[in-house]
Amino acid sequence: NAGVTQTPKFRVLKTGQSMTLLCAQDMNHEYMYWYRQDPGMGLRLIHYSVGEGTTAKGEVPDGYNVSRLKKQNFLLGLESAAPSQTSVYFCASMAQFTGELFFGEGSRLTVL
Amino acid sequence: GNSVTQMEGPVTLSEEAFLTINCTYTATGYPSLFWYVQYPGEGLQLLLKATKADDKGSNKGFEATYRKETTSFHLEKGSVQVSDSAVYFCALYDSGTYKYIFGTGTRLKVLA
Repeated sequence: NAGVTQTPKFRVLKTGQSMTLLCAQDMNHEYMYWYRQDPGMGLRLIHYSVGEGTTAKGEVPDGYNVSRLKKQNFLLGLESAAPSQTSVYFCASMAQFTGELFFGEGSRLTVL
Repeated sequence: GNSVTQMEGPVTLSEEAFLTINCTYTATGYPSLFWYVQYPGEGLQLLLKATKADDKGSNKGFEATYRKETTSFHLEKGSVQVSDSAVYFCALYDSGTYKYIFGTGTRLKVLA
C-alpha cells in the first residue's frame, strides 16, 4: 500500500552542495511530476515526465535537473543548491484514466 | 499559457456556515478541473473533479461546477465542519501539454 514514496523527507544543505530527491511509485503510472510548495505561491511545477526516458520543463525548472530511467522512479537533482531553493518538494504520479494525481508526503529541503 | 487563480485566504468560518472558494482558470483548450485538499503535514489528495463543461463534481458534501462561459470552478459546501479545516487547491490538467497546474491554495479554518 505504498503509493508514492519520497526520500529523504528532510534535508539541510549548504549553499553550493548537490543532492538528489528520489520519488518512487508502485502504481505503474506513466506520468510523474515534481512540484515545489512555498508560502503564498501554491504548488509550482518544476519538471514532469510522461514516460520512461522522457522529461519536460514545467513553470520553474531553473536550477533543477530530472531523470526518469525507470518507469517507477523520478529523480529530482539540485546541482548547486541556493537558499532560494529552500522549499517543500512534492512528487506526484497520475492515473491517466481518471486524471487523479497521487502525492508523496513531501520532502522539506533547507539550504543555508 | 495555462493558469489558475484562487481567492486569497485565509477563510475563517463558524461551524455549519456556507463555504465558497472562488477559482477561475485560463486555458487554450478544454482542460479537466480539480479540487485538491491538503491537511497539515500531508500531501494533497483529490477532493473532486469535472472533465467537461457543465459537469458537476461532488464529494463529502463539497460541490463544484465546470463553467466554461465564466471559466470558473468554484468550490461550495452547504455546512462546514471543524474537520474541513485545511488548504484547498484548484487545479487544471491540460491533456495537450500534459501539464498539471495548481492555484496558490486557500486556507480554510472552521471554528467550533
